[in-house]
Amino acid sequence: GQNIDQPTEMTATEGAIVQINCTYQTSGFNGLFWYQQHAGEAPTFLSYNVLDGLEEKGRFSSFLSRSKGYSYLLLKELQMKDSASYLCAVKGGLTGGGNKLTFGTGTQLKVEL
Amino acid sequence: KAGVTQTPRYLIKTRGQQVTLSCSPISGHRSVSWYQQTPGQGLQFLFEYFSETQRNKGNFPGRFSGRQFSNSRSEMNVSTLELGDSALYLCASSLSADQHGYTFGSGTRLTVV
Repeated sequence: GQNIDQPTEMTATEGAIVQINCTYQTSGFNGLFWYQQHAGEAPTFLSYNVLDGLEEKGRFSSFLSRSKGYSYLLLKELQMKDSASYLCAVKGGLTGGGNKLTFGTGTQLKVEL
Repeated sequence: KAGVTQTPRYLIKTRGQQVTLSCSPISGHRSVSWYQQTPGQGLQFLFEYFSETQRNKGNFPGRFSGRQFSNSRSEMNVSTLELGDSALYLCASSLSADQHGYTFGSGTRLTVV
């Protein structure tokens, strides 16, 4: 089976750094995604990790440790517009390939002044 | 280029009715996946289509079905609607079944009364 855990809510201050953790237990692993979703909108792609280590993309970085079943999303220089839900998703290993993402329930980030 | 288009955006149906939702992927994308998003369960995988064939299916009852046409457009159908089917239904497309890039549509908000 698949199990993905992330905190339900987090609050941070504008200009600060926040780290959103995600732990997973999956039968098969073909990559981990982070998506951002503003209320009432589609999830938008932030990052993809398939190998261990840190991937940096502007103010956003994502880290993966496959042996620990652990990832985090790091957001720097927080802005008010970063207030959103952040979704961790694992692409499972499926016989024959294919796309199936198992999502955590999301972390609602609130950025305050 | 145009994104993933889902129609309709909003829908209200009565218990027992059936509903059909439509998804037009990004031009050239051949893989279409469907997800159900509810506040309590988060995003849950429904099914995935590639080249008109269902490749993967999630743990949903047989009332949920789908198909994909030769132009990669996809539809999903829910029969005998229940109150619990009220959710945001999201469609995601990617170039092929094993590409890691997924683009989501804005979703169809289904309310069952």
